[in-house]
Amino acid sequence: DTEVTQTPKHLVMGMTNKKSLKCEQHMGHRAMYWYKQKAKKPPELMFVYSYEKLSINESVPSRFSPECPNSSLLNLHLHALQPEDSALYLCASSQVGRFLSGNTIYFGEGSWLTVV
Amino acid sequence: AQKITQTQPGMFVQEKEAVTLDCTYDTSDQSYGLFWYKQPSSGEMIFLIYQGSYDEQNATEGRYSLNFQKARKSANLVISASQLGDSAMYFCAMREGNGGFKTIFGAGTRLFVKA
Repeated sequence: DTEVTQTPKHLVMGMTNKKSLKCEQHMGHRAMYWYKQKAKKPPELMFVYSYEKLSINESVPSRFSPECPNSSLLNLHLHALQPEDSALYLCASSQVGRFLSGNTIYFGEGSWLTVV
Repeated sequence: AQKITQTQPGMFVQEKEAVTLDCTYDTSDQSYGLFWYKQPSSGEMIFLIYQGSYDEQNATEGRYSLNFQKARKSANLVISASQLGDSAMYFCAMREGNGGFKTIFGAGTRLFVKA
């Protein structure tokens, strides 16, 4: 079983709604990630938090707003999304440092988002 | 620039047989890590195996082994004794050894295991 848990598993939201995706990891990792994955494509990096600070924002539209309340939690706040934002959103975590073997990214089960 | 290439969009294998999924990579760095992930239709990305650029031996994890040929820049995944539950999408990925957070993924290979 994965030690990165995501809720909800499925979310359907209207374009005017505000919703949040939540992620929690129990691996003691200090880096947490949000990825977006469209059908039949590899995951695309959206955000990275390192030691609870935003480290990478891959030019993601402001309708996606990440939040890292503590080292175990990561949220993705959604507002005024478009139908093309429908995708699988994957949360992940890893250690921080220069030792590659310890920096393996571990993913959660994903949240399937449909924007109507 | 870094690049991961998986040239097999889909593969079929008979149950209990071995299968090799191809992966080639391109990087100018000397230190990097190579990863394979499995993604069933449920969506979860499952880490399978890791190979470091300085590792002299091929990595193995149970039925999974990584055929690492550094000079050819290839990192093929070998699954032995295929099972029906192995049917999934498989992604090869690379991360450079500079302490950065970016992992590059290949396009993926869809594996179908036949009974």
